[in-house]
Order: sequence, then structure tokens, then C-alpha cells
Amino acid sequence: KAGVTQTPRYLIKTRGQQVTLSCSPISGHRSVSWYQQTPGQGLQFLFEYFSETQRNKGNFPGRFSGRQFSNSRSEMNVSTLELGDSALYLCASSLDSDSPLHFGNGTRLTVT
Amino acid sequence: SQQGEEDPQALSIQEGENATMNCSYKTSINNLQWYRQNSGRGLVHLILIRSNEREKHSGRLRVTLDTSKKSSSLLITASRAADTASYFCAAFSGSARQLTFGSGTQLTVLP
Repeated sequence: KAGVTQTPRYLIKTRGQQVTLSCSPISGHRSVSWYQQTPGQGLQFLFEYFSETQRNKGNFPGRFSGRQFSNSRSEMNVSTLELGDSALYLCASSLDSDSPLHFGNGTRLTVT
Repeated sequence: SQQGEEDPQALSIQEGENATMNCSYKTSINNLQWYRQNSGRGLVHLILIRSNEREKHSGRLRVTLDTSKKSSSLLITASRAADTASYFCAAFSGSARQLTFGSGTQLTVLP
């Protein structure tokens, strides 16, 4: 079974731009969660999607958004990028939100 | 905010020794999970222990959970250099339907 795939692996953007990150979950997994990982704040929960609906959201500004498609693939978008958005963005899929998460290798976003 | 706090932040041991990491959390949980992360990679799920369980084993891993103290520990026995990684606990709250990660323990196993 293929694992969770995140693209792109690395991304460099400038302040004010927007970015879209993609995540393909493990086949059969309907829950997709996104996390931001930084050295200072650790792993912070962004949001969770289940069957195309956002089921939960963390404490991030509205510049961070996401969606899930009918095939469970998910995207997250960050608009008006700030230097502080530089981080490793991790996507994880699971059968449900209380099940073990299967993580992708992340997208390393650098904002200059 | 982080649900779990881990102790110690960093741990360095010799190959063959046991490694113990502790985790404390703040609210009621449905389960507690442990993950490992190698540098620059995604997290890998190690073990899940439910709130009505006290101890669980998986290979060289032993996890305990004390819900009265809101704490958990992960023991890795007979450690190997390949165990070098960051280890995170993550608490799942059924009411919030959210998995919240601790700050992690960086384990270094010296050959």
C-alpha cells in the first residue's frame, strides 16, 4: 500500500505570495490532518478534513485554508505569506481522527 | 498550545542501554500515542494506548499510562543506534476530536 505523498518536497516563496501544498492519503483513509512544525512551536494542528468536510480547525489565522476532494486528496493554501510561515508542513491520513496517523514526509516551506 | 510536555528534552545513551521518556498532558484523553521522527522526515506511529489501559508492549517498546497523574512513559529496551530520533507523545481528546503533540524528546544512541 502506498504511503502518504506530499508535494512539493521543498518550496521557496517570498513574502506576500501564496502557496498551495498537496497531500495524497493512503487509499481508504478518509481523514486528512495538517500540521505545522517549527523549532520554536513544535507540531501545531492546522485542520482536519473528513469526507470533504472540515471537521476541526486549530488556532491559525484565516490565511491558512484547506480542502479535501472526493478522492480524499487534500490541499492546503496559505495566502499573503509571512516570514513566520517558514516551516515543515506535514500531512497525515488515518481511518478516523482517533486512529493512528500516517504521515507524509512533509513540504519544507521557506519564506524570504 | 501543546497538550503534552515531554521530559527530558534530550537524552543521550549508549547502545544496549534502556531509554525512558516521559510525557504529561493536560486534559482528559481517549488515547495517547507515541511517534518517532527522523530528522527532516515525517512522523512514524509507534504505539497507541487507550485511556482504560495501563500498559502496552510492542517489540522493544513498553508504554505506560497513568490517567490519574495525566502522564505516560515510553521505554525503549536494548537501544540501537538506529533508534536515534525525536520521540513525540500525542494526546487524543475525544471532546475536541483533536490529536495534540508534545514538544518531543531528542534521543541519541551512541554506538
